[in-house]
Amino acid sequence: DQQVKQNSPSLSVQEGRISILNCDYTNSMFDYFLWYKKYPAEGPTFLISISSIKDKNEDGRFTVFLNKSAKHLSLHIVPSQPGDSAVYFCAARRPIMNYGGSQGNLIFGKGTKLSVKP
Amino acid sequence: NAGVMQNPRHLVRRRGQEARLRCSPMKGHSHVYWYRQLPEEGLKFMVYLQKENIIDESGMPKERFSAEFPKEGPSILRIQQVVRGDSAAYFCASSPGFRVRNTEAFFGQGTRLTVV
Repeated sequence: DQQVKQNSPSLSVQEGRISILNCDYTNSMFDYFLWYKKYPAEGPTFLISISSIKDKNEDGRFTVFLNKSAKHLSLHIVPSQPGDSAVYFCAARRPIMNYGGSQGNLIFGKGTKLSVKP
Repeated sequence: NAGVMQNPRHLVRRRGQEARLRCSPMKGHSHVYWYRQLPEEGLKFMVYLQKENIIDESGMPKERFSAEFPKEGPSILRIQQVVRGDSAAYFCASSPGFRVRNTEAFFGQGTRLTVV
């Protein structure tokens, strides 16, 4: 049962244009959503996160949008650069209520491979 | 400030042998997570540990897999009697303790286990 879904395995974008990566989830208990970037043979690197009580968070070229009613979030990269080419993982945090919800597990999607062409 | 350190980076084991994967969290972090990435798959949660305590092991296979995070030393993910299906990249992540919301976890570079 996949609780976090990234339905596009790959995305190709021209340098300078916008990249939009999408993610859907099924569990309404998730309280934070995160995006990680991963290069081959390296561990994932945290990019940006958003709380479930917000609908937008922006950090430089990266903006994450959350539509809680649709259980959908997206990552926008503007403008896209060749160095952005990587696999992007969407993750959702499932709080552990025994610990007052202050800690949780991250549930990951399968990733979307972004290629930014010069 | 060193990041999350995992060793070895690559590990080859024959079927039936034991695999031990080590993870040293970032300085000041007392919580460790283990994830497994199979080829063409995302990261699957396995286990979440605090020092000397398993918080959530709901993603761990029931047999052959175990994890610990002792008071001193690294966290260890142990796989007994490995099979070919255990071949994967195993990632460790760490975060600060309970008083800080772990809205991000820092990952190591992973251990690539190959079972031959």
